[in-house]
Amino acid sequence: ETGVTQTPRHLVMGMTNKKSLKCEQHLGHNAMYWYKQSAKKPLELMFVYNFKEQTENNSVPSRFSPECPNSSHLFLHLHTLQPEDSALYLCASSPQGRETQYFGPGTRLLVL
Amino acid sequence: TQLLEQSPQFLSIQEGENLTVYCNSSSVFSSLQWYRQEPGEGPVLLVTVVTGGEVKKLKRLTFQFGDARKDSSLHITAAQPGDTGLYLCAGEDDYKLSFGAGTTVTVRA
Repeated sequence: ETGVTQTPRHLVMGMTNKKSLKCEQHLGHNAMYWYKQSAKKPLELMFVYNFKEQTENNSVPSRFSPECPNSSHLFLHLHTLQPEDSALYLCASSPQGRETQYFGPGTRLLVL
Repeated sequence: TQLLEQSPQFLSIQEGENLTVYCNSSSVFSSLQWYRQEPGEGPVLLVTVVTGGEVKKLKRLTFQFGDARKDSSLHITAAQPGDTGLYLCAGEDDYKLSFGAGTTVTVRA
């Protein structure tokens, strides 16, 4: 068990839907991350939060909206997505932004 | 983002054989990490190498960090079906990780 949980594990949505992904870490870490993993491509870092403050946004389209209400929870709000946004979305956490990151199991997203 | 290239992209071997996976970059990293990801799960950290030339052993897995801290290799001895998975390398610099695309390893029983 990695101590990082994600829900839902699978999600199918239409391009006009609004949905949210949830991540929770039970490790007492202060940094949390969202990554996108597509087939045959490196993990793409999307957002970084340190102590609830967003410290990095890697030119992610505005149809992805992150929220970090506290150091243990991270959300990714989705709206008007495109089929090319279909991927595995991974959440990770680390102690105070140190390099060792612990990943959740991911949410497999399919946009129709 | 610094580019890491992993080779080969796919590797299929028989149980008991040895295999080596490579991770190369033109950039220098403070440390390099190896992860294994199984289907339907997130990546799990296997090891972190920090010093140029460092060799770390984890049971049947041997990890090496290049002298110039730009490349790394993962060697598995006597592979078992449980070693099947996607192996990812990630270079760390200034507390940021850059990932390779991964090597998919399949060990046939």
